Amino acid sequence: DVKVTQSSRYLVKRTGEKVFLECVQDMDHENMFWYRQDPGLGLRLIYFSYDVKMKEKGDIPEGYSVSREKKERFSLILESASTNQTSMYLCASSLDGGSSSYEQYFGPGTRLTVT
Amino acid sequence: GENVEQHPSTLSVQEGDSAVIKCTYSDSASNYFPWYKQELGKRPQLIIDIRSNVGEKKDQRIAVTLNKTAKHFSLHITETQPEDSAVYFCAASGGAGNQFYFGTGTSLTVIP
Repeated sequence: DVKVTQSSRYLVKRTGEKVFLECVQDMDHENMFWYRQDPGLGLRLIYFSYDVKMKEKGDIPEGYSVSREKKERFSLILESASTNQTSMYLCASSLDGGSSSYEQYFGPGTRLTVT
Repeated sequence: GENVEQHPSTLSVQEGDSAVIKCTYSDSASNYFPWYKQELGKRPQLIIDIRSNVGEKKDQRIAVTLNKTAKHFSLHITETQPEDSAVYFCAASGGAGNQFYFGTGTSLTVIP
């Protein structure tokens, strides 16, 4: 069974703190993605990764960075958290471009509040 | 880049009626169009998808249609049930491993 997990369901941080959100998948997927979800805005892609140590900017990368040291783990880093980064963060993974399956599998999400 | 627009943002139907959600996309290179359902407090899950070489696909009460010429695709849910109440997202993509561009979501409420 496909499984994507995220380190926390709820997180409260203070403005200026460095925040780490962790995502782990056990499906040996090559691709991993970080989205943020805000009401009325849908899911917006922050960063994604096609392989270990590789990363690509999505549509809204400002204020974020990522790390992928192992295939199964993709971390999202908020270098200096700000209140406008209060949001639901969703991780997803998928097989590589040569596969027949295009589906992205999502984690349960982390609700981050920055005060 | 790709731009996906989704309408309506909210939709209420009586149980047993049909629901239709429409999306348009801008990039003619997009060739994969998934639909995700997100129940309250849960993760998005794929419910149906269609590739650009197909015009229509059905799975029990749900169907998706694609018009490549007009660059739009639609989700059809027939005989709606209360458990169909959720937020539905459409997306467009260049295929496996490619970035998904999501619509802004449709909150569907099925009234018993």
